[in-house]
Amino acid sequence: NAGVTQTPKFQVLKTGQSMTLQCAQDMNHNSMYWYRQDPGMGLRLIYYSASEGTTDKGEVPNGYNVSRLNKREFSLRLESAAPSQTSVYFCASRVIIGGPPGEFFGPGTRLTVL
Amino acid sequence: KQEVTQIPAALSVPEGENLVLNCSFTDSAIYNLQWFRQDPGKGLTSLLLIQSSQREQTSGRLNASLDKSSGRSTLYIAASQPGDSATYLCAVSTQGGSEKLVFGKGTKLTVNP
Repeated sequence: NAGVTQTPKFQVLKTGQSMTLQCAQDMNHNSMYWYRQDPGMGLRLIYYSASEGTTDKGEVPNGYNVSRLNKREFSLRLESAAPSQTSVYFCASRVIIGGPPGEFFGPGTRLTVL
Repeated sequence: KQEVTQIPAALSVPEGENLVLNCSFTDSAIYNLQWFRQDPGKGLTSLLLIQSSQREQTSGRLNASLDKSSGRSTLYIAASQPGDSATYLCAVSTQGGSEKLVFGKGTKLTVNP
């Protein structure tokens, strides 16, 4: 039982490049989330998916897109990276009904945009 | 808009001391409150979750309390150890089916041997 996994762990991009951050969970959770963490700003929600086939914007969605590929996988895409997107990105999942309560986090992706 | 505040931002204590971390939130209409631990360069680990109908939860040396009406929670750590050094984050879950979390900025705890 791997929990929540994220790839890659580290990434350096140039301004304007695109990339997709991958996230998968094996806990059969319904809800999945993408956060970014910046010094002095705390964790902020980018997008979330309450169930397979649905996605909604969080607090800071601009410059990002997401795909809930199936119940296990939730990807985050940067179409044209900007230096302001330099951050640590965390994926999380949780079950709403049944199972141990709470939110489970992946190890994070450290992204630098030059 | 829900806002979560954690005071102090940093705390340094000698080993063995009992300590309290504070969390306050502006909107009392929460579904639950969760305390996390984050080690440097790592993801978040859930420590305790308190449902809105509960007053406290305990796990080992940790005890978290919730006073929903006053918008406050405390995390009590007994007999602190150097291994407790980490950043502790509080998050509240807004009501509704999606259960989005709103995080505080954390308290960085250092326990000195």
